Amino acid sequence: GQQVMQIPQYQHVQEGEDFTTYCNSSTTLSNIQWYKQRPGGHPVFLIQLVKSGEVKKQKRLTFQFGEAKKNSSLHITATQTTDVGTYFCTGPFSGGYNKLIFGAGTRLAVHP
Amino acid sequence: NAGVTQTPKFQVLKTGQSMTLQCAQDMNHEYMSWYRQDPGMGLRLIHYSVGAGITDQGEVPNGYNVSRSTTEDFPLRLLSAAPSQTSVYFCASSRSGQQETQYFGPGTRLLVL
Repeated sequence: GQQVMQIPQYQHVQEGEDFTTYCNSSTTLSNIQWYKQRPGGHPVFLIQLVKSGEVKKQKRLTFQFGEAKKNSSLHITATQTTDVGTYFCTGPFSGGYNKLIFGAGTRLAVHP
Repeated sequence: NAGVTQTPKFQVLKTGQSMTLQCAQDMNHEYMSWYRQDPGMGLRLIHYSVGAGITDQGEVPNGYNVSRSTTEDFPLRLLSAAPSQTSVYFCASSRSGQQETQYFGPGTRLLVL
């Protein structure tokens, strides 16, 4: 069945280091969304990518959608303790169904 | 706007008991959905609705029922709780569907003994 996979599952970094998480889909996606969930919190929308090869930036966060629209990445430059949380990617389920498939997420720990 | 609200925040059930998790949104969103989140497994879709009177199954619908009698409310019913349903449940809404930004509620932590 259709899958959205994220790597790594867990990463810990020293504050100031960079961080990247990757999202890979088994099928072509019409769009991809990224969410962040702080510990004990709920997922919060970060961004949506729609176009092949699209790159979007939000301050220290850079999001990229692959040319084939089957993969995406989130890169954080110079991590801060406020970046701690789990980052999820999600895309539409194929076959005309109006539902989303989430990756398992990448949990980021930042050590001061 | 309160956004998406969920009640209760925490619930303990015994195996076989039934309960309803409440979800409401005040943004006039057509699309609402329920997810469960288990450690290491991300968010899995249980049921979703594209508008009042319309519901459909997600990835893991077994053991759960939903209804959507109004635009605002989308309750999730557990008819006979099982320990495997111990999880954190999130309700989400969006303006019109899965292409839109999903707004999540604060979640309900459910423990089934």
